[in-house]
Amino acid sequence: DAGITQSPRHKVTETGTPVTLRCHQTENHRYMYWYRQDPGHGLRLIHYSYGVKDTDKGEVSDGYSVSRSKTEDFLLTLESATSSQTSVYFCAISESGVTYEQYFGPGTRLTVT
Amino acid sequence: AQSVTQLGSHVSVSEGALVLLRCNYSSSVPPYLFWYVQYPNQGLQLLLKYTSAATLVKGINGFEAEFKKSETSFHLTKPSAHMSDAAEYFCAVSDRNAGNMLTFGGGTRLMVKP
Repeated sequence: DAGITQSPRHKVTETGTPVTLRCHQTENHRYMYWYRQDPGHGLRLIHYSYGVKDTDKGEVSDGYSVSRSKTEDFLLTLESATSSQTSVYFCAISESGVTYEQYFGPGTRLTVT
Repeated sequence: AQSVTQLGSHVSVSEGALVLLRCNYSSSVPPYLFWYVQYPNQGLQLLLKYTSAATLVKGINGFEAEFKKSETSFHLTKPSAHMSDAAEYFCAVSDRNAGNMLTFGGGTRLMVKP
């Protein structure tokens, strides 16, 4: 298994509070991604990173920000959590070029009450 | 823009029967295509991938998929279902021009009856 961990694995928070999710990799892969998974929608890309301090928006980026200060860590922040952000969040990593497959972490289940 | 359509959000088969999960894609460039499997409360695991080599791709756990450009399809099959195949399956297409980004279909939940 690719060395990807996510923390926390479960979190319950209140509407309006800030939340930060962490993704940590030990593979030294260039690309890192944050997805959210909701029933019937598959996985939707929130933000991704193509190197340290290099990030870009995905399909559903509103209400989320990211940071990557080291190759191994990619943080996802909900500045002011809303109930619509209740979801399961997955981090993924990918090597540069080659065959483009992504490897996924175990996920974080976030509930916003 | 790329898109993926998985026909059938739920598929039920009997143990030992053929598994067929359908995936159609839309892409402006020759695609890279993937099938992932997700077991309950776990992350996604790569089953197989198509990267413009052989059109029939074999993956793990006895699954295979065939790339058909004329039909823009990449259906997943397994000759004989096993109870352990019960999971959710996702088809995805890669945008090679945009940071290896994957676009996923909505998923198909496979149920296997004894």
